[in-house]
Amino acid sequence: GEDVEQSLFLSVREGDSSVINCTYTDSSSTYLYWYKQEPGAGLQLLTYIFSNMDMKQDQRLTVLLNKKDKHLSLRIADTQTGDSAIYFCAESRTGTASKLTFGTGTRLQVTL
Amino acid sequence: GAVVSQHPSWVICKSGTSVKIECRSLDFQATTMFWYRQFPKQSLMLMATSNEGSKATYEQGVEKDKFLINHASLTLSTLTVTSAHPEDSSFYICSARTGTNNEQFFGPGTRLTVL
Repeated sequence: GEDVEQSLFLSVREGDSSVINCTYTDSSSTYLYWYKQEPGAGLQLLTYIFSNMDMKQDQRLTVLLNKKDKHLSLRIADTQTGDSAIYFCAESRTGTASKLTFGTGTRLQVTL
Repeated sequence: GAVVSQHPSWVICKSGTSVKIECRSLDFQATTMFWYRQFPKQSLMLMATSNEGSKATYEQGVEKDKFLINHASLTLSTLTVTSAHPEDSSFYICSARTGTNNEQFFGPGTRLTVL
């Protein structure tokens, strides 16, 4: 089955860039997503990328996809304390009724 | 737009009782709703997929008789945890999808604690 892995924890200083990495195993993945979860809350979709794209930028967020290596990353520029949260990558395939397979989540801690 | 609510936001119940959790799409019609379970410091695990007017499709290992899902309208799905036990304590999150694209909109979650 599908498997999506992330590093558990990342600590950065305010103002620095954060890079959160994700690897997946399903070569049929069509859509890849990044979600943000704040404590005790649901998930907020940050951005997504189609598998035929290499990069997508949206304000402070940059997503890079290396389909050959099945590696996805999320770069947050000028990281702020409000960015502290858990970040999940997720993948889905066309024709699977949008079923999402989530990664293990990366806890981002932003320090002053 | 695209707001999904859940009720209750948290619930504490005694072992053996049943608990119903509601998931509502407030400003759109959700043809498909998903129910996830999240243990502390872990990822979301899909429990079931429900389409309006039809039976839910459960993921492997999820007991359909224990986790009853009803998707009676395009804006409401309910998850009932029957005869709850302490091991059912978890954070339950629903999401809803329209028929027009693949994006899922997530509810804020319901924390269930079974004593």
